[in-house]
Amino acid sequence: AQSVTQLGSHVSVSEGALVLLRCNYSSSVPPYLFWYVQYPNQGLQLLLKYTTGATLVKGINGFEAEFKKSETSFHLTKPSAHMSDAAEYFCAVRPSRSGNTPLVFGKGTRLSVIA
Amino acid sequence: GAVVSQHPSWVICKSGTSVKIECRSLDFQATTMFWYRQFPKQSLMLMATSNEGSKATYEQGVEKDKFLINHASLTLSTLTVTSAHPEDSSFYICSARDGGASYNEQFFGPGTRLTVL
Repeated sequence: AQSVTQLGSHVSVSEGALVLLRCNYSSSVPPYLFWYVQYPNQGLQLLLKYTTGATLVKGINGFEAEFKKSETSFHLTKPSAHMSDAAEYFCAVRPSRSGNTPLVFGKGTRLSVIA
Repeated sequence: GAVVSQHPSWVICKSGTSVKIECRSLDFQATTMFWYRQFPKQSLMLMATSNEGSKATYEQGVEKDKFLINHASLTLSTLTVTSAHPEDSSFYICSARDGGASYNEQFFGPGTRLTVL
Protein backbone atom coordinates (compact mmCIF):
# COMPACT_ATOMS: atom_id res chain seq x y z
CA ALA A 1 0.00 0.00 0.00
CA GLN A 2 1.09 3.50 -0.69
CA SER A 3 2.07 5.57 2.32
CA VAL A 4 3.37 8.98 3.28
CA THR A 5 5.58 9.62 6.28
CA GLN A 6 6.04 13.08 7.68
CA LEU A 7 8.88 13.19 10.14
CA GLY A 8 8.03 15.34 13.12
CA SER A 9 4.45 16.02 14.13
CA HIS A 10 5.50 19.44 15.39
CA VAL A 11 8.25 21.74 14.14
CA SER A 12 9.10 25.03 15.78
CA VAL A 13 11.26 27.69 14.16
CA SER A 14 12.15 31.29 14.88
CA GLU A 15 10.82 34.02 12.64
CA GLY A 16 13.27 34.50 9.79
CA ALA A 17 14.77 31.04 10.14
CA LEU A 18 14.76 28.26 7.57
CA VAL A 19 11.69 26.05 7.45
CA LEU A 20 12.22 22.37 6.61
CA LEU A 21 9.32 19.94 6.73
CA ARG A 22 10.18 16.38 5.80
CA CYS A 23 8.12 14.00 3.72
CA ASN A 24 8.94 10.51 2.49
CA TYR A 25 6.65 8.39 0.42
CA SER A 26 6.33 4.87 -0.81
CA SER A 27 4.99 4.29 -4.27
CA SER A 28 5.50 1.58 -6.82
CA VAL A 29 5.04 3.99 -9.71
CA PRO A 30 6.17 7.56 -10.31
CA PRO A 31 3.81 9.51 -8.12
CA TYR A 32 2.21 12.88 -8.11
CA LEU A 33 3.24 14.67 -4.92
CA PHE A 34 1.58 17.53 -3.09
CA TRP A 35 1.98 19.81 -0.13
CA TYR A 36 -1.09 21.38 1.44
CA VAL A 37 -1.46 23.90 4.24
CA GLN A 38 -4.40 24.00 6.61
CA TYR A 39 -5.20 26.88 8.93
CA PRO A 40 -7.44 26.25 11.96
CA ASN A 41 -11.02 25.33 11.03
CA GLN A 42 -10.34 25.75 7.33
CA GLY A 43 -9.96 23.45 4.39
CA LEU A 44 -6.81 22.55 2.53
CA GLN A 45 -4.90 25.01 0.41
CA LEU A 46 -2.51 23.68 -2.20
CA LEU A 47 1.02 24.97 -1.69
CA LEU A 48 2.71 23.18 -4.54
CA LYS A 49 2.71 19.99 -6.54
CA TYR A 50 5.05 17.78 -8.49
CA THR A 51 3.72 15.94 -11.51
CA THR A 52 6.47 15.68 -14.11
CA GLY A 53 9.46 17.64 -15.31
CA ALA A 54 11.63 19.79 -13.07
CA THR A 55 12.19 18.20 -9.71
CA LEU A 56 12.46 21.49 -7.85
CA VAL A 57 8.98 22.88 -7.54
CA LYS A 58 8.15 26.38 -6.42
CA GLY A 59 4.85 27.14 -4.78
CA ILE A 60 2.97 29.94 -3.14
CA ASN A 61 4.11 32.01 -0.17
CA GLY A 62 7.79 31.38 -0.89
CA PHE A 63 7.69 27.62 -0.36
CA GLU A 64 9.45 25.11 -2.54
CA ALA A 65 10.01 21.37 -2.54
CA GLU A 66 12.35 19.01 -4.31
CA PHE A 67 11.39 15.59 -5.58
CA LYS A 68 14.23 13.16 -5.00
CA LYS A 69 13.37 9.82 -6.48
CA SER A 70 16.45 8.07 -5.11
CA GLU A 71 15.50 9.11 -1.59
CA THR A 72 11.73 8.84 -2.13
CA SER A 73 11.48 12.26 -0.55
CA PHE A 74 9.62 15.49 -1.17
CA HIS A 75 10.74 17.85 1.58
CA LEU A 76 9.19 21.30 1.88
CA THR A 77 11.38 24.33 2.53
CA LYS A 78 11.16 28.07 2.93
CA PRO A 79 14.25 30.23 3.42
CA SER A 80 12.74 32.60 5.97
CA ALA A 81 9.78 31.81 8.20
CA HIS A 82 7.04 34.34 8.77
CA MET A 83 4.55 34.39 11.60
CA SER A 84 1.75 33.81 9.11
CA ASP A 85 3.31 30.46 8.15
CA ALA A 86 2.16 28.92 11.43
CA ALA A 87 -0.29 26.19 10.38
CA GLU A 88 -0.66 22.48 9.77
CA TYR A 89 1.10 21.10 6.71
CA PHE A 90 0.19 17.90 4.92
CA CYS A 91 2.21 15.99 2.38
CA ALA A 92 0.17 13.84 0.03
CA VAL A 93 0.81 11.39 -2.77
CA ARG A 94 -1.38 10.27 -5.59
CA PRO A 95 0.12 6.91 -6.38
CA SER A 96 -1.45 6.59 -9.81
CA ARG A 97 -1.80 8.84 -12.83
CA SER A 98 -5.48 7.92 -12.88
CA GLY A 99 -7.71 10.75 -11.82
CA ASN A 100 -9.91 8.32 -9.96
CA THR A 101 -7.15 7.61 -7.47
CA PRO A 102 -7.60 9.47 -4.18
CA LEU A 103 -4.76 11.18 -2.40
CA VAL A 104 -2.97 9.49 0.46
CA PHE A 105 -2.05 11.94 3.19
CA GLY A 106 0.68 12.00 5.76
CA LYS A 107 -0.25 12.63 9.36
CA GLY A 108 0.65 16.27 9.14
CA THR A 109 3.25 18.55 10.70
CA ARG A 110 2.27 21.50 12.82
CA LEU A 111 4.57 24.43 12.22
CA SER A 112 4.99 27.00 14.97
CA VAL A 113 6.84 30.25 14.34
CA ILE A 114 8.37 32.00 17.32
CA ALA A 115 8.83 35.74 17.31
CA GLY B 1 -8.41 27.96 -10.48
CA ALA B 2 -11.25 25.55 -10.02
CA VAL B 3 -13.48 26.06 -7.00
CA VAL B 4 -15.22 23.52 -4.83
CA SER B 5 -17.79 24.63 -2.29
CA GLN B 6 -19.32 22.85 0.66
CA HIS B 7 -22.54 23.60 2.44
CA PRO B 8 -23.02 24.06 5.27
CA SER B 9 -19.65 25.16 6.59
CA TRP B 10 -20.68 24.09 10.06
CA VAL B 11 -23.67 22.33 11.57
CA ILE B 12 -24.78 21.38 15.04
CA CYS B 13 -27.43 18.71 15.42
CA LYS B 14 -29.01 16.52 18.04
CA SER B 15 -28.13 12.89 18.40
CA GLY B 16 -30.36 10.69 16.24
CA THR B 17 -30.99 13.22 13.50
CA SER B 18 -29.64 13.11 9.95
CA VAL B 19 -27.44 15.74 8.38
CA LYS B 20 -26.78 16.35 4.69
CA ILE B 21 -23.57 17.94 3.46
CA GLU B 22 -23.28 19.20 -0.11
CA CYS B 23 -20.15 19.36 -2.21
CA ARG B 24 -20.30 21.35 -5.43
CA SER B 25 -17.80 21.96 -8.20
CA LEU B 26 -18.55 25.53 -9.26
CA ASP B 27 -16.76 25.92 -12.56
CA PHE B 28 -15.97 22.44 -13.78
CA GLN B 29 -17.58 19.07 -14.14
CA ALA B 30 -16.49 16.49 -11.64
CA THR B 31 -17.10 12.89 -12.58
CA THR B 32 -15.33 11.81 -9.41
CA MET B 33 -15.52 13.27 -5.94
CA PHE B 34 -13.88 12.07 -2.76
CA TRP B 35 -15.09 12.39 0.81
CA TYR B 36 -12.59 12.64 3.65
CA ARG B 37 -12.98 12.82 7.40
CA GLN B 38 -10.59 14.59 9.70
CA PHE B 39 -10.53 14.21 13.46
CA PRO B 40 -9.00 16.98 15.58
CA LYS B 41 -5.26 17.26 15.14
CA GLN B 42 -5.21 14.28 12.78
CA SER B 43 -4.82 13.72 9.09
CA LEU B 44 -7.48 13.25 6.45
CA MET B 45 -8.88 9.78 6.10
CA LEU B 46 -10.60 8.79 2.90
CA MET B 47 -14.18 7.67 3.49
CA ALA B 48 -15.44 7.01 0.00
CA THR B 49 -15.05 7.69 -3.69
CA SER B 50 -18.12 9.01 -5.44
CA ASN B 51 -18.65 8.62 -9.17
CA GLU B 52 -21.43 10.42 -10.98
CA GLY B 53 -24.33 8.15 -11.77
CA SER B 54 -23.07 5.13 -9.90
CA LYS B 55 -22.76 3.83 -6.37
CA ALA B 56 -20.02 5.15 -4.18
CA THR B 57 -17.05 3.02 -3.25
CA TYR B 58 -16.49 2.98 0.50
CA GLU B 59 -13.23 2.43 2.31
CA GLN B 60 -12.92 -0.47 4.67
CA GLY B 61 -14.50 0.26 8.00
CA VAL B 62 -16.82 3.00 6.74
CA GLU B 63 -20.49 2.15 7.21
CA LYS B 64 -22.24 2.75 3.91
CA ASP B 65 -25.67 2.72 5.53
CA LYS B 66 -24.62 5.42 7.93
CA PHE B 67 -22.77 7.64 5.50
CA LEU B 68 -24.98 7.85 2.43
CA ILE B 69 -23.33 9.32 -0.63
CA ASN B 70 -25.19 10.47 -3.71
CA HIS B 71 -23.54 11.88 -6.82
CA ALA B 72 -26.52 12.69 -8.96
CA SER B 73 -24.94 15.27 -11.23
CA LEU B 74 -21.53 16.26 -12.54
CA THR B 75 -21.34 19.19 -10.14
CA LEU B 76 -22.93 17.89 -6.95
CA SER B 77 -22.23 15.13 -4.47
CA THR B 78 -23.95 14.84 -1.11
CA LEU B 79 -22.95 13.06 2.08
CA THR B 80 -25.77 12.29 4.51
CA VAL B 81 -24.85 11.26 8.01
CA THR B 82 -27.83 9.23 9.16
CA SER B 83 -28.84 8.90 12.81
CA ALA B 84 -25.88 10.96 13.86
CA HIS B 85 -24.16 10.31 17.18
CA PRO B 86 -21.54 12.32 19.06
CA GLU B 87 -18.77 10.08 17.74
CA ASP B 88 -19.68 11.26 14.23
CA SER B 89 -18.59 14.77 15.15
CA SER B 90 -15.75 15.61 12.84
CA PHE B 91 -14.53 17.80 10.01
CA TYR B 92 -15.71 16.49 6.66
CA ILE B 93 -13.87 17.55 3.51
CA CYS B 94 -14.68 16.75 -0.09
CA SER B 95 -12.51 16.98 -3.15
CA ALA B 96 -13.49 16.92 -6.80
CA ARG B 97 -11.54 15.75 -9.79
CA ASP B 98 -11.38 18.07 -12.75
CA GLY B 99 -11.29 15.71 -15.68
CA GLY B 100 -10.41 18.55 -17.99
CA ALA B 101 -7.25 19.48 -16.10
CA SER B 102 -3.90 18.41 -17.46
CA TYR B 103 -3.35 15.75 -14.86
CA ASN B 104 -6.83 15.28 -13.46
CA GLU B 105 -6.16 17.64 -10.58
CA GLN B 106 -8.27 17.32 -7.50
CA PHE B 107 -9.60 20.41 -5.74
CA PHE B 108 -10.66 20.52 -2.12
CA GLY B 109 -13.67 22.11 -0.56
CA PRO B 110 -13.39 24.25 2.57
CA GLY B 111 -14.79 21.56 4.82
CA THR B 112 -17.87 21.13 7.01
CA ARG B 113 -17.61 21.01 10.77
CA LEU B 114 -20.23 18.64 12.21
CA THR B 115 -20.98 18.67 15.92
CA VAL B 116 -23.47 16.15 17.25
CA LEU B 117 -24.84 16.88 20.71
